[in-house]
Amino acid sequence: GQNIDQPTEMTATEGAIVQINCTYQTSGFNGLFWYQQHAGEAPTFLSYNVLDGLEEKGRFSSFLSRSKGYSYLLLKELQMKDSASYLCAPYSSNTGKLIFGQGTTLQVKP
Amino acid sequence: GAGVSQSPRYKVAKRGQDVALRCDPISGHVSLFWYQQALGQGPEFLTYFQNEAQLDKSGLPSDRFFAERPEGSVSTLKIQRTQQEDSAVYLCASSSSQGPQGISGNTIYFGEGSWLTVV
Repeated sequence: GQNIDQPTEMTATEGAIVQINCTYQTSGFNGLFWYQQHAGEAPTFLSYNVLDGLEEKGRFSSFLSRSKGYSYLLLKELQMKDSASYLCAPYSSNTGKLIFGQGTTLQVKP
Repeated sequence: GAGVSQSPRYKVAKRGQDVALRCDPISGHVSLFWYQQALGQGPEFLTYFQNEAQLDKSGLPSDRFFAERPEGSVSTLKIQRTQQEDSAVYLCASSSSQGPQGISGNTIYFGEGSWLTVV
């Protein structure tokens, strides 16, 4: 089975740094996705971690610890357009499914 | 096409009515997924196709939900005798991966979704 936990809401200030945490329990774990979803739009791919460690991609970085069942998404130099929902999604090679957490709604304030 | 295309984008159905939601995946993509997303929640898995084969339908909430992909390309999600609790966004996603071991980070693409409201 799968159990995914991430905060429901977060608020941060423009220009700041924010870290969105995700813990998971997934059988046949084979990597973890982060997606961004603006209201009324499709989820868009941000990152995919297979190995432990930090992957940096511009203003966004994602970290994975497989032994701890833990990941985080780090957003730097926040912009107003970063206000969105951020979805943590472990991938199971047993099932071939991408299972999503409830999402963290991030509000960036001026 | 350039991306995953879904239609209709918005649908209002009367309770008890049947609806059909269409998904055109990215050309050549082998895998196709349907998800249901309620307001304020993450997408919930419904079903998964590899080509025309429906490999997993464990997420379909009831026998009123039926999905098909007869030629391994376009897929249709059908909901019979719609109920108010069926109101949600239905997301389709496609992937070029050949199977569970083939997934990689940037190959799962989502459509804009079909917004279903049952009144």
